Amino acid sequence: EVQLVESGGGLVQPGGSLRVSCAASGFTFSSSWMHWVRQAPGTGPVWVAHINQDGSHTTYADSVKGRFTISRDNAKNTLYLFINSLRVEDTATYYCVRDWYGEHIWGQGAMVTVSS
Amino acid sequence: DIVMTQTPLSSPVTLGQPASISCRSSQSLVPSDGNTYLSWLHQRPGQPPRLLIYKISSRFSGVPDRFSGSGAGTDFTLKISRVEAEDVGVYYCMQATQFPITFGQGTRLEIK
Repeated sequence: EVQLVESGGGLVQPGGSLRVSCAASGFTFSSSWMHWVRQAPGTGPVWVAHINQDGSHTTYADSVKGRFTISRDNAKNTLYLFINSLRVEDTATYYCVRDWYGEHIWGQGAMVTVSS
Repeated sequence: DIVMTQTPLSSPVTLGQPASISCRSSQSLVPSDGNTYLSWLHQRPGQPPRLLIYKISSRFSGVPDRFSGSGAGTDFTLKISRVEAEDVGVYYCMQATQFPITFGQGTRLEIK
């Protein structure tokens, strides 16, 4: 069974940094595209970033370019999202999503709250 | 960016009756590699989105056959043949044919 477990969320002050992780199991992690998608309270999902199977290619939403970095460690079956210069509007649940030829499986999410 | 527009935004339905949600894309979801990556997701309060339908009409593993998807080009539809109580929540269409991946605004399904 595919499992995606996010961790690393929490309360952070504006301007701070955070790393969110996603531990994957139940599938061949190194063969899958992966994404981060975020959802602010009461709103719909918004795609944030994508990474290909070996990490050689990444794509970002314009709104996070330069502040967010997606990466992966295939030896540890783990996906990462590094978030710098956090803003209040980055407050959201961050979901790790497995992309297998159009089948998008979502993790449970990690809540990130940016507040002073 | 491709804008996904869902209608209706709210759908009150009687248990056992059918329901239908439409999704229109601002550009044709031209197939790449022969597939159009248009999906439908369901989200209950406090839970993550769950995949129902992918590649327009393929039902994901474990999804009841009362759910079906159809469409092509710019117009897509999710149909529920007979609504059950567990179907309440918000439904989103999502296109992953082109970056950035984009979502519809969501349609809230509620029981009358």
